[in-house]
Amino acid sequence: AQSVTQLGSHVSVSEGALVLLRCNYSSSVPPYLFWYVQYPNQGLQLLLKYTSAATLVKGINGFEAEFKKSETSFHLTKPSAHMSDAAEYFCAVSPRDNYGQNFVFGPGTRLSVLP
Amino acid sequence: ETGVTQSPTHLIKTRGQQVTLRCSSQSGHNTVSWYQQALGQGPQFIFQYYREEENGRGNFPPRFSGLQFPNYSSELNVNALELDDSALYLCASSLYGTVQETQYFGPGTRLLVL
Repeated sequence: AQSVTQLGSHVSVSEGALVLLRCNYSSSVPPYLFWYVQYPNQGLQLLLKYTSAATLVKGINGFEAEFKKSETSFHLTKPSAHMSDAAEYFCAVSPRDNYGQNFVFGPGTRLSVLP
Repeated sequence: ETGVTQSPTHLIKTRGQQVTLRCSSQSGHNTVSWYQQALGQGPQFIFQYYREEENGRGNFPPRFSGLQFPNYSSELNVNALELDDSALYLCASSLYGTVQETQYFGPGTRLLVL
């Protein structure tokens, strides 16, 4: 069974500082991997996804993530945090052989950006 | 291009009642998935509908059921509501079998069971 862990339920950074949100997955076969962002009282918005092309994936709003098979990780980074980045971030996995039928989300990391 | 829409936005029910939530998928998408997001947690997969049939189900009891209509819109029905059913219910639409399209989420319906 797949699972996703996100280290740190709450991360605080200063505006302009590096953002690093951690995601590790457990799966017998490397899955498809996703990062979603959720702003207060809204649904989820796709930031980026890994589908076995380049291991470094660039997404919207300056975010990127790197797939590391040896570490079973898919950490999300952004070089310089902006106040508007404050939100909840979810890492998710989906199996390659039945995509979409069992999308598994991590518990989320709340990002706070301090002025 | 129309995004995913959900109705109602908020709903209050009492324990034991039944509720129906609605979702209109994004234009061009033929698959709808439903998720339950309890407060402070990540979304949990309830089930997926494709071609008007259930196409995968998470660890939810049979009192959670759904429908998909020919226009690809969908309903989530929950019978015999329990207090723990209080959550944000999200639907997501996609084009079946094409991960390139991935899943696009609606804004959710917030259900409170008293």
